This record gives sequence, C-alpha cells and structure tokens, in this order.
Amino acid sequence: NAGVMQNPRHLVRRRGQEARLRCSPMKGHSHVYWYRQLPEEGLKFMVYLQKENIIDESGMPKERFSAEFPKEGPSILRIQQVVRGDSAAYFCASSTLDGYGYTFGSGTRLTVV
Amino acid sequence: DAKTTQPPSMDCAEGRAANLPCNHSTISGNEYVYWYRQIHSQGPQYIIHGLKNNETNEMASLIITEDRKSSTLILPHATLRDTAVYYCIVRLPGFGNNNDMRFGAGTRLTVKP
Repeated sequence: NAGVMQNPRHLVRRRGQEARLRCSPMKGHSHVYWYRQLPEEGLKFMVYLQKENIIDESGMPKERFSAEFPKEGPSILRIQQVVRGDSAAYFCASSTLDGYGYTFGSGTRLTVV
Repeated sequence: DAKTTQPPSMDCAEGRAANLPCNHSTISGNEYVYWYRQIHSQGPQYIIHGLKNNETNEMASLIITEDRKSSTLILPHATLRDTAVYYCIVRLPGFGNNNDMRFGAGTRLTVKP
C-alpha cells in the first residue's frame, strides 16, 4: 500500500511562471489536505478537499493559489505567477472520510528564481 | 479549536528517555491528542494518539493526565535519529467535523551523544 505520493519532489520556477504540485492520496483515503512550510517556519494549513469539493480553504492566500481534487486523478495545488516568497515546502496529507489515518507525503520543494 | 502549549526546545542524552510535555487545558471531552514529528524537513510522521487512556506502540508511549489537560510523549531510549521537531495536536476527528491537523510551533528535540 503506497503512501501519500507527491510530485515533483523538487520544482524550480522563474518568477511569473505557474507551479503545479500533485498529490495522490493513500488507497482508501478520500480527503486531501495541503500545507505550506516556509524556511525555518512551522507547517501552515492551506486547504482541505474531498473529491470535487473544497471543504475548508481558510488557509489559502486569496490570490494566485487554487486547489482541486477531481473525481479522477491526483489533487493539484496550483500557484499562478509565482513570486520569490512562494518558495517553500508544500506538504500534502490524506485521510479517510472521517479523518482517520492522517498521513503525510514527502513534500514538494518549490524554489522560485 | 483547543490549543496546545509545548516548550520550544529540549535536549536529551542518547539512550535515555525523552519526555516531551504538552499542555492542552481547553481540550474538550471527545478531542484526541495526537503526536507527530518532523525530521529535518521531511513530511511529518505520525507517532501516536490517545483519548483518555495511556497508549504505547513501537515508537513511543503517551501519558495523558486524568483531567486530560496535559500529556507527555515518552521516547523510552532516544537515539540520534529521534532528533526532530515534535508536534502535539488536539483534534476531533469524525464525519462532519473539520478533520485537518493544525500544527503549532512544536518542540525541537535534540538528542546528544
């Protein structure tokens, strides 16, 4: 049973480009959560999704950031027109419908140059 | 959400027990106490969780006070590989609840040879 899979592990983007981060939840998990960790800081919750539905996006920046979890395929965190301040590690976690088995992926490290 | 308070840092000698405290004085009756750790920018790793009773698994033991206002994570024989940031989280999982984990600053445990 593969764990939570995130890709790519490392992503380099120039300022103004788009970044797409993917997260495949564990088998049997229906909910996905995204977190951001700036250098030398803690994990900050961004968004919580189930398939085709955003449950809580209270931690998402209002502009340039969006997330989806389509019926088929991985969850995508999309950052448009990236800026240097978006450089961070982005972690995804998944759980069952009622929140059990909360497991994290290895993260995607985004560097904006 | 109930909040937790943890010391920012602790040291422990290799081979000795590491006892990491957590205060959660506003915990409600059905909220669980979870512990995760993050080793050097890897994805957070689940350690243990409990509701009222003390719990033990292959990684650690969790001692929850009778009034549930505080808990202690015990790593019985700390190794250098246990050096990490340890997070105590209070959460109410279950269908219809906000299931995301909210991370505080945690305790940076340094195991010294």
